[in-house]
Amino acid sequence: GIQVEQSPPDLILQEGANSTLRCNFSDSVNNLQWFHQNPWGQLINLFYIPSGTKQNGRLSATTVATERYSLLYISSSQTTDSGVYFCAVVYSGNTPLVFGKGTRLSVIA
Amino acid sequence: DSGVTQTPKHLITATGQRVTLRCSPRSGDLSVYWYQQSLDQGLQFLIQYYNGEERAKGNILERFSAQQFPDLHSELNLSSLELGDSALYFCASSTGTGNGYTFGSGTRLTVV
Repeated sequence: GIQVEQSPPDLILQEGANSTLRCNFSDSVNNLQWFHQNPWGQLINLFYIPSGTKQNGRLSATTVATERYSLLYISSSQTTDSGVYFCAVVYSGNTPLVFGKGTRLSVIA
Repeated sequence: DSGVTQTPKHLITATGQRVTLRCSPRSGDLSVYWYQQSLDQGLQFLIQYYNGEERAKGNILERFSAQQFPDLHSELNLSSLELGDSALYFCASSTGTGNGYTFGSGTRLTVV
């Protein structure tokens, strides 16, 4: 099946710093989503981005489908950005999301 | 509120028992997916239903079963519970076209 690899596995940032999280996937995908899991366990959808670039406040994401990777940018990080960031892909239409193992981000004040 | 409702939010039960987790999908979504997330682990796909029928199976144990009802809500039944079944169980829904999956807030199951 399709493989999803995220890097780095762990990241510690000082508040105010910028970061880039990467997601590589092994095959063509129909859909790609980035999620943030907060310390209370909630999964929050950040971006639905099968291709192209999107921005939402301090977060932005870029997916280069032809090269099978996606990047999540976090600028001016805040302590509330802490948690685990997951990339998940769908191989074709009506199939389950396949998740990467996540990047655990800790933002220190 | 994501539009996907999961109940209960927390559940504590003893080994050997049986529990039922419930999920109401977002309005208009026909597909329901169940995922399990054990402590500090990623999300493992368990099972998918589409418009009342089983569509795909992942790493679901034989002690676990699910169904989707005519009103499209879904239930995940976990039986003969073991300590290792303690986890967050998420439900997600989608329209079935692959365009956007929405997750509920999860049910945290603790088996003691």
